[in-house]
Amino acid sequence: EAGVVQSPRYKIIEKKQPVAFWCNPISGHNTLYWYLQNLGQGPELLIRYENEEAVDDSQLPKDRFSAERLKGVDSTLKIQPAELGDSAVYLCASSFTSGEEQYFGPGTRLTVT
Amino acid sequence: KQEVTQIPAALSVPEGENLVLNCSFTDSAIYNLQWFRQDPGKGLTSLLLIQSSQREQTSGRLNASLDKSSGRSTLYIAASQPGDSATYLCAVQGGSEKLVFGKGTKLTVNP
Repeated sequence: EAGVVQSPRYKIIEKKQPVAFWCNPISGHNTLYWYLQNLGQGPELLIRYENEEAVDDSQLPKDRFSAERLKGVDSTLKIQPAELGDSAVYLCASSFTSGEEQYFGPGTRLTVT
Repeated sequence: KQEVTQIPAALSVPEGENLVLNCSFTDSAIYNLQWFRQDPGKGLTSLLLIQSSQREQTSGRLNASLDKSSGRSTLYIAASQPGDSATYLCAVQGGSEKLVFGKGTKLTVNP
């Protein structure tokens, strides 16, 4: 069984540029999560989807961040414009449903210069 | 607001030693607790999940316990190996259904 797939694995951009991350969850998993992990810290939830509905986006900085999961499968997280402080690892996870064990992808390491 | 603390922040042990990693959380109203492993530059690998009604879970050389009333969990690693070197993260899931993570314990097992 394939795990959670994320791309790209690494991204370097200049500040004020846009960037997008893509996630493909485990097949059959209805719940999808985007987390932000700063160096030396644990991941923090940005947004949680139940199928195509964003049910918890309270931690998403909506002035520059957006996300979508149009068909309830793949998801895209976008930052526009990027700031220096956005440099971090962006992790995607999925679970069969909320409350079940979460499985994480390898993450996208973003560097903003 | 749920807060998760992991002690120690870093641990270095010789190969073969048994060790315990600690995790504490402030709000005992949790659904489950998960232990993860993270290798440098990689994502998280789930090691064990303990439901709130359970006291412990075992997988190979790993044993995790949960004491919900005191807000504590421990991860016991038996006969440690150099390949166990990684950062171990504890996370709890509560009513908001999101995982709240600790900062992790960086484990180094020396050959």
